[in-house]
Amino acid sequence: GAVVSQHPSWVICKSGTSVKIECRSLDFQATTMFWYRQFPKQSLMLMATSNEGSKATYEQGVEKDKFLINHASLTLSTLTVTSAHPEDSSFYICSARDGHRNQPQHFGDGTRLSIL
Amino acid sequence: AQTVTQSQPEMSVQEAETVTLSCTYDTSESNYYLFWYKQPPSRQMILVIRQEAYKQQNATENRFSVNFQKAAKSFSLKISDSQLGDTAMYFCAFMKGGTSGTYKYIFGTGTRLKVLA
Repeated sequence: GAVVSQHPSWVICKSGTSVKIECRSLDFQATTMFWYRQFPKQSLMLMATSNEGSKATYEQGVEKDKFLINHASLTLSTLTVTSAHPEDSSFYICSARDGHRNQPQHFGDGTRLSIL
Repeated sequence: AQTVTQSQPEMSVQEAETVTLSCTYDTSESNYYLFWYKQPPSRQMILVIRQEAYKQQNATENRFSVNFQKAAKSFSLKISDSQLGDTAMYFCAFMKGGTSGTYKYIFGTGTRLKVLA
């Protein structure tokens, strides 16, 4: 149980394009989803927290217009990197937790984003 | 603000031996949860073990156990009978409990563990 699917696993695109990453909870309803960014050999950096049906809460220093997050249903959240540039290249991971308080986060397999 | 510290950037252990990874944290909260996650080379984040702060008994999951010292704010992970598949990055994480929290994690910087054949 508690499976989170993230798609795509790897994407390469040209500078200036927008890229959408999907995060789905397959067997539970995710009232809260989280988006992280991870640089090589470093820890996970929380970018934003999204709750179903409301606007995402972004961490300090994260550009909300650059990283658009939508959590339109209890099983799907999307992260769109707009007008991507090489410095946006990174590993992005989503996680989700169900409606029960104090439950652990369940992570997707991550998306490796490379901007040329 | 809460902080999580993992003071061992890298460790190695011989196969079948036991290794302990350290984690300390700082918080003024009384209700919180602690987790250990494993991230193998595939980069998938896998929950290893969790501990509720209100529980005095240390959590165990097969070969994995924790030494939770609440007063010292210490939460170490012991891996017994280490296996090659245990080679991974290990992250300690703190989460505030209660009904008003955002349920977000505070991660440590990680410990890279290598199990040697």
